[in-house]
Amino acid sequence: SQKIEQNSEALNIQEGKTATLTCNYTNYSPAYLQWYRQDPGRGPVFLLLIRENEKEKRKERLKVTFDTTLKQSLFHITASQPADSATYLCALPSAGSSNTGKLIFGQGTTLQVKP
Amino acid sequence: EAGVVQSPRYKIIEKKQPVAFWCNPISGHNTLYWYLQNLGQGPELLIRYENEEAVDDSQLPKDRFSAERLKGVDSTLKIQPAELGDSAVYLCASSFGTGRAGELFFGEGSRLTVL
Repeated sequence: SQKIEQNSEALNIQEGKTATLTCNYTNYSPAYLQWYRQDPGRGPVFLLLIRENEKEKRKERLKVTFDTTLKQSLFHITASQPADSATYLCALPSAGSSNTGKLIFGQGTTLQVKP
Repeated sequence: EAGVVQSPRYKIIEKKQPVAFWCNPISGHNTLYWYLQNLGQGPELLIRYENEEAVDDSQLPKDRFSAERLKGVDSTLKIQPAELGDSAVYLCASSFGTGRAGELFFGEGSRLTVL
């Protein structure tokens, strides 16, 4: 069955540095991948969607890559700020459900940016 | 524009009691999702509606959980009777259209504590 893995250990970085979070998946080839941000006590908020034919996507200080050979997505936040501290979730469509919007989420990685 | 509205935000009940959660999606969003999120984990899909039809309820424990979306707008998720292991956050999400890859808009969630 499909499996999504995100680093369960929190990532602690200094303000101004680039944060890089990893999402690995196995056992299938998704048509796209999404990244969400979740603050404590709040629902996830959509950040970016990248499709299988896109190697890289950018939005302001965010950059996402999608390597279908390695079955991996990297999520970068450049010039990180304490306000970027949150849990970041990657999500992929359920196998065989690329056109239904049914998403499977990773467990998330918590980012802590220290001033 | 109002986002996805969920109520109650918090609920504490004793085991074996019933509980219900309500969700009002973003206006015009045909697809509605109920996710369960345990502490430190990503959201897990319970049920997905396209308009008033439950198109995916394979993860819903039907012996005690039920859901409805009678008019294809708001939705209710019920647990009866609740068990200790049901303590979690219940997230509602909606998306525009059916059968497409797009972002999910989440509510703030309903946190359930079963004593």
